[in-house]
Amino acid sequence: GAVVSQHPSRVICKSGTSVKIECRSLDFQATTMFWYRQFPKQSLMLMATSNEGSKATYEQGVEKDKFLINHASLTLSTLTVTSAHPEDSSFYICSASGLVNTEAFFGQGTRLTVV
Amino acid sequence: KQEVTQIPAALSVPEGENLVLNCSFTDSAIYNLQWFRQDPGKGLTSLLLIQSSQREQTSGRLNASLDKSSGRSTLYIAASQPGDSATYLCAVNTGKLIFGQGTTLQVKP
Repeated sequence: GAVVSQHPSRVICKSGTSVKIECRSLDFQATTMFWYRQFPKQSLMLMATSNEGSKATYEQGVEKDKFLINHASLTLSTLTVTSAHPEDSSFYICSASGLVNTEAFFGQGTRLTVV
Repeated sequence: KQEVTQIPAALSVPEGENLVLNCSFTDSAIYNLQWFRQDPGKGLTSLLLIQSSQREQTSGRLNASLDKSSGRSTLYIAASQPGDSATYLCAVNTGKLIFGQGTTLQVKP
């Protein structure tokens, strides 16, 4: 299957700072990228959907000013957690797909710890 | 609102057993359904994708079926191995993936 690379895999940051997570599709053009958050022993919760060149669509309850998403090219989307707080500590995973009805491929995830 | 449910939440079996994981969804208007495997602290590995027009897909010891009209899918694992121990997630594609809560499988040697 296609490869989606997510970086960094782990990050520890101080409360109040911002953290950027990158998601790259390495061997295909990702029309759409998705960002998920996963709490321990829970399933994936969709945060937002981003389409290349347009603003992201955020799920209800997700603060768009706190979780900034940029999808500047067909191979790269970034999620920036601004002014991070300990409650933002979580596992963040991105996925990418071509057409809407095609297979979705996932990155390796980023473990964010805010201290 | 689409809701996805997976049963059982956890399953422990001895090595060699055949097993079935269940996934149900409330709205049949889906593009496709995917089964994923997730190891602790890791991302998701896609196992099988079933398009809405298909009834089943097979890959090695894995077979997934889809009955869209009844809102059900099953993942059949034949001759389970300890290496199959992981959390299995199903997700329906409505333009975005909606996930179930997962089934955590433990296969004992």
